[in-house]
Amino acid sequence: SQTIHQWPATLVQPVGSPLSLECTVEGTSNPNLYWYRQAAGRGLQLLFYSVGIGQISSEVPQNLSASRPQDRQFILSSKKLLLSDSGFYLCAWSVGSNEKLFFGSGTQLSVL
Amino acid sequence: GQSLEQPSEVTAVEGAIVQINCTYQTSGFYGLSWYQQHDGGAPTFLSYNALDGLEETGRFSSFLSRSDSYGYLLLQELQMKDSASYFCAVSSGYSTLTFGKGTMLLVSP
Repeated sequence: SQTIHQWPATLVQPVGSPLSLECTVEGTSNPNLYWYRQAAGRGLQLLFYSVGIGQISSEVPQNLSASRPQDRQFILSSKKLLLSDSGFYLCAWSVGSNEKLFFGSGTQLSVL
Repeated sequence: GQSLEQPSEVTAVEGAIVQINCTYQTSGFYGLSWYQQHDGGAPTFLSYNALDGLEETGRFSSFLSRSDSYGYLLLQELQMKDSASYFCAVSSGYSTLTFGKGTMLLVSP
């Protein structure tokens, strides 16, 4: 069966520090991978998606970047965090043109 | 771009039926999805409608009218565990979903 792992669950970082969030998927090949951000009490904002290794599409220009070094690994990074980067970050995957997304358990990031 | 409108909050009692509406504006449309998210948890997929009509999955049903750019999620026989946020989402590209801001459903005894 397919599983998605996302870590860490919570993270507190000072302004100006770097960020690296990692997501891995097991049990499937060539998944579409996504990073979403959710502000408190708000909807989910698509940040990046990838349809293959090294292929990254950015939906919102910002202080963040994403990379896909392996088929089932998706990384969200920042060189210098801003206060506005605080939020709940969710990794997700899907297969082909399937509209069904499977989400990881999320990372609650607080930038202080 | 895409935009979705859904009520911010709905309240109901156990055993009741509740309908959560969603209207959307999008350039290109493949389908309407619904997700459930409990507080602090990850969203989980509930249903997907690509064609007009009603899709039923147990206590939950979802409806789509493409001509009206409208859909709804119907929850029957409400249980306390149904208290959660419900998001509609439209697909207008290659598996990229745009989510609404969510409807918080509060179920009381």
